[in-house]
This record gives sequence, C-alpha cells and structure tokens, in this order.
Amino acid sequence: LAKTTQPISMDSYEGQEVNITCSHNNIATNDYITWYQQFPSQGPRFIIQGYKTKVTNEVASLFIPADRKSSTLSLPRVSLSDTAVYYCLVGDIGGSSASKIIFGSGTRLSIRP
Amino acid sequence: TAGITQAPTSQILAAGRSMTLRCTQDMRHNAMYWYRQDLGLGLRLIHYSNTAGTTGKGEVPDGYSVSRANTDDFPLTLASAVPSQTSVYFCASSDSEGGVQFFGPGTRLTVL
Repeated sequence: LAKTTQPISMDSYEGQEVNITCSHNNIATNDYITWYQQFPSQGPRFIIQGYKTKVTNEVASLFIPADRKSSTLSLPRVSLSDTAVYYCLVGDIGGSSASKIIFGSGTRLSIRP
Repeated sequence: TAGITQAPTSQILAAGRSMTLRCTQDMRHNAMYWYRQDLGLGLRLIHYSNTAGTTGKGEVPDGYSVSRANTDDFPLTLASAVPSQTSVYFCASSDSEGGVQFFGPGTRLTVL
C-alpha cells in the first residue's frame, strides 16, 4: 500500500473553499485514492474515492493529476460542521491486502466563524 | 439498516482481566476489521478478516485475538488486559478486502 503524506492541521473560515492535499509518490497502477472524515468520538466516514482526473459528489470533489502522485480533496463553502480529521488512503480496492491498510494521523481541519 | 453495531459503548476493566468486544454488521460484507485509536492519533489495524472462517494480523495484533465464525460477527478478545490497551476500538466492514469501509460507533475501553 502506498505511503501517504498530508498536512497535520489546517484552519479556515466558514464559507471558504478548503483544499487538502495528499502526497502518494509510490502509488501503484491499480491503486485508488479514498478519503475519510472523522468527527470526535465517532468512527471514520467515507467521503469520496477516485482513480484519476476529477470526481465530484454531493459533499466534496477529488482532483487527481495525470501522474497520480498526489490528490486534493476540495470542500466547497465549508461550515463549522466540517471541523474534523480527514484521512487519505491509497490502495487497490479490489485486492489490497488488509494488513497493509494505514490510516495515518490525518489532517485536522478547524473551521472558524 | 443498522450497519455496524458495537458493544459495549464503554468499559472500565481491571488489568489482567479478559474481555470480548462485540461487533455485528448487517450489510453482508465479506471483510471486517478491528482498529484501535489512541487519544489524538490515527487508527491502527489490529486484526482483519477477508471472509468468514479466515483472519489475519494487522499492524498491532499482540494481546488481541479474533474469530470469524460467520459473516455478521467479528468479536475481538483481550485475554489479559494491560493499561496500554486503553483506547477507543473501532470495528469496520467492507464489501471486499481493501474496499470502502463502514465503521461502527466505537468502544471506549479503559484498563486500570
């Protein structure tokens, strides 16, 4: 499973767009990129998953450049309720060995009024 | 749909005692996982199961055991608890190994 690197923390304000970048230089051909969100005292929750270019759903967008060595989670017009820890994971969703799953420490996003 | 349930919600346990944390999913997912999350840190994989009848070790398996007798249940047992096992334990499941995971609400365990 490819190792990922993401900022430890980020701050922003309500109504702003927030972009969290994850580096994964050793991503393999079959690997997908998956982002999770975790609120205090809760388990992580799936946000978005992608393989290349751009993926958008009702809560976020995921931008993946052509070389796939990084990805950017974009949260449009954040609110206080977006304050959480965000984790980036990279792996082959159809065949990754579960023993290699690494959540890492994630990015702690704080949104201010 | 309940998704994943865990029990108990929280527990205080004396060191040396044994305990089983319960996890049940109703999504008929093949893979299940147990993680621990220490205060302020990320999740670390303890054990996993790709399908009923099989289990595997994760990053931090020592002091823990699991079983997967059927698709729905994946209990985690601490045979002789130690204070360093104080943590929040999350159970998760996914349709396939390495797939998108769905998490339970967690069990907060304190070992004194």
